[in-house]
Amino acid sequence: QTVVTQEPSFSVSPGGTVTLTCGLSSGSVSINYYPSWYQQTPGQAPRALIYSTNIRSSGVPDRFSGSILGNKAALTITGAQADDESDYYCVLYMGSAIWVFGGGTKLTVL
Amino acid sequence: QLQLQESGPGLVKPSETLSLTCTVSGGSISSSTYYWGWIRQPPGKGLEWIGIIYYSGSTYYNPSLESRVTISVDTSKNQFSLKLTSVTAADTALYYCARLSSGWPHYFDYWGQGTLVTVSS
Repeated sequence: QTVVTQEPSFSVSPGGTVTLTCGLSSGSVSINYYPSWYQQTPGQAPRALIYSTNIRSSGVPDRFSGSILGNKAALTITGAQADDESDYYCVLYMGSAIWVFGGGTKLTVL
Repeated sequence: QLQLQESGPGLVKPSETLSLTCTVSGGSISSSTYYWGWIRQPPGKGLEWIGIIYYSGSTYYNPSLESRVTISVDTSKNQFSLKLTSVTAADTALYYCARLSSGWPHYFDYWGQGTLVTVSS
């Protein structure tokens, strides 16, 4: 069974830039997996940030951006703010109307 | 503004069936544009996609849960439901309902607040 991999945790300084990645246990992530990214703060439902690799969801500030870096999908936060401290999940489309979530990355801003 | 609200028992006994309903307001579940889905999150863990349904009743499930899952839709009530049979403690989770966006590629653009289901005797 394919596993979607993410860094368990990451930290960034306020104002800094951080790139979180989303890979596959076997193989490379490409645009054909239509990667999407979600932000979840404690006690809240996830919120869509990015879909189809690099399209920002409505209302998402442009300091959040998505891309493919090497063999992984990536979420870059530029100018990190305190309220960016959240869990971030990527989701890959596996075909046949099946989606798989990654394990999530806990981002600390300090 | 579209809203989704999960409801159902917060406690289910092992081996029994978990049943949840998602009520959609501010929009029609019968729209031919959208799919509707369920996602769960065990306490302190990550998200897991369970499955989706179209208003016509077409369904797609996570292969790892497919043998135990049924998602159905009631367009007259603007609701869709989840049934998970033969539950164990591993099914204890916060269960979210969500809408899959229109067009392609899809993503989950609206989410309910989630409802916690505990499996325990």
